[in-house]
Amino acid sequence: QVQLQESGPGLVKPSQTLSLTCTVSGDSISSDTYYWTWIRQPAGKGLEWIGRVYSGGNTNYNPSLKSRVTISIDTSTNQFSLRLTSVTAADTAVYYCARFVRVTTALDFWGLGTLVTVSS
Amino acid sequence: DIQMTQSPSSLSASVGDTVTITCRASQRLSSFLHWYQQKPGKAPQLLIYAASSLQSGVPSRFSGSGSGTDFTLTISNLQPEDFATYYCQQSYSPPHSFGGGTKVEIK
Repeated sequence: QVQLQESGPGLVKPSQTLSLTCTVSGDSISSDTYYWTWIRQPAGKGLEWIGRVYSGGNTNYNPSLKSRVTISIDTSTNQFSLRLTSVTAADTAVYYCARFVRVTTALDFWGLGTLVTVSS
Repeated sequence: DIQMTQSPSSLSASVGDTVTITCRASQRLSSFLHWYQQKPGKAPQLLIYAASSLQSGVPSRFSGSGSGTDFTLTISNLQPEDFATYYCQQSYSPPHSFGGGTKVEIK
């Protein structure tokens, strides 16, 4: 059974960079069957798709965040990462990583999520 | 970007009821539309993919239909564990946007 686990600081200061890592177990992140995706959810609000990365390093980002976001993949550690620069309070949210299956084009496994608060 | 609009934003229903949630896209999606269930404090879980295919392990009382721009999630014989928030998501083109969610509450 595949599992995804987000990790990273729970508190980030305004204007600084948010960095999160998703560790994948039970499957190889190198597989060409999947994309690896980040989604976030502010408290009490809906889901926002941030972006995704493919094993070869190809990425797609949400244009609303594109100038600030970088998603990368490390096949040697079976991890992928999110960097979001110049954060503000509006970036406070629960951040989820998830597996996107190319055949079905759906997100079939999700991490538990990690709360990141932007505050001084 | 493709905009996804869900309706209603919330509904009240009783155990045993049948409920229907609608999702409308701002452009045609073919069948690149999926439904997720989210319970408080938990990650979303995939219910239906490709508009009408039931994800493995999901009870058959959940069903999806539609294509193009209009899609429906139906929950038959509503069970206590079904009270949650439901989201649609398009994967036709990035960014893979979500609908605003529909909260199903106990009447």
